Amino acid sequence: ILNVEQSPQSLHVQEGDSTNFTCSFPSSNFYALHWYRWETAKSPEALFVMTLNGDEKKKGRISATLNTKEGYSYLYIKGSQPEDSATYLCAFAGGTSYGKLTFGQGTILTVHP
Amino acid sequence: GAGVSQSPSNKVTEKGKDVELRCDPISGHTALYWYRQSLGQGLEFLIYFQGNSAPDKSGLPSDRFSAERTGGSVSTLTIQRTQQEDSAVYLCASSPVAYTYGYTFGSGTRLTVV
Repeated sequence: ILNVEQSPQSLHVQEGDSTNFTCSFPSSNFYALHWYRWETAKSPEALFVMTLNGDEKKKGRISATLNTKEGYSYLYIKGSQPEDSATYLCAFAGGTSYGKLTFGQGTILTVHP
Repeated sequence: GAGVSQSPSNKVTEKGKDVELRCDPISGHTALYWYRQSLGQGLEFLIYFQGNSAPDKSGLPSDRFSAERTGGSVSTLTIQRTQQEDSAVYLCASSPVAYTYGYTFGSGTRLTVV
């Protein structure tokens, strides 16, 4: 069983704050690490796909880093806005399970105006 | 199509009945996945298709669950003799190839077994 852990479980921040979340995953047989944003009443939306150790991705105010040797990824949001409120999921592809993603439980972010 | 289409969007069924859930992926996406989210739980993997074959069906909870994909396109997830614990949102996703591209998810089928 692959363990993909995310922390914190939930987070409340004020508009304008910067924040970050952690995803930890098995460090052996790594294929890829994905981040998704899941807003209420919508479908999960892909943010980043990272495949190489040291990868850094950026999309507007959101960025992510990857360390495959130690098995963690960080997602950063700079200057949080209320519309950033969502559940952020990371997902790991690797181990003996070629092809499928194993998702973490998610971090629920609430940005207060 | 422009996105991943799932039907029905909601299904209420009586315990013991069979149900079929349909997923129409983005045209040209060879990889197709089924996940479910039960109340208070995370996304649980069910099955993965590459083309019409299923290299990984390890997540199917029991032999009451089966899935097929035809023509490298539409997939059907069938649940026989539904039980109350089958109640969940069933999500389908597709991608051009496995894991190196982000998944595009459908809007899901909310299954309620009464």
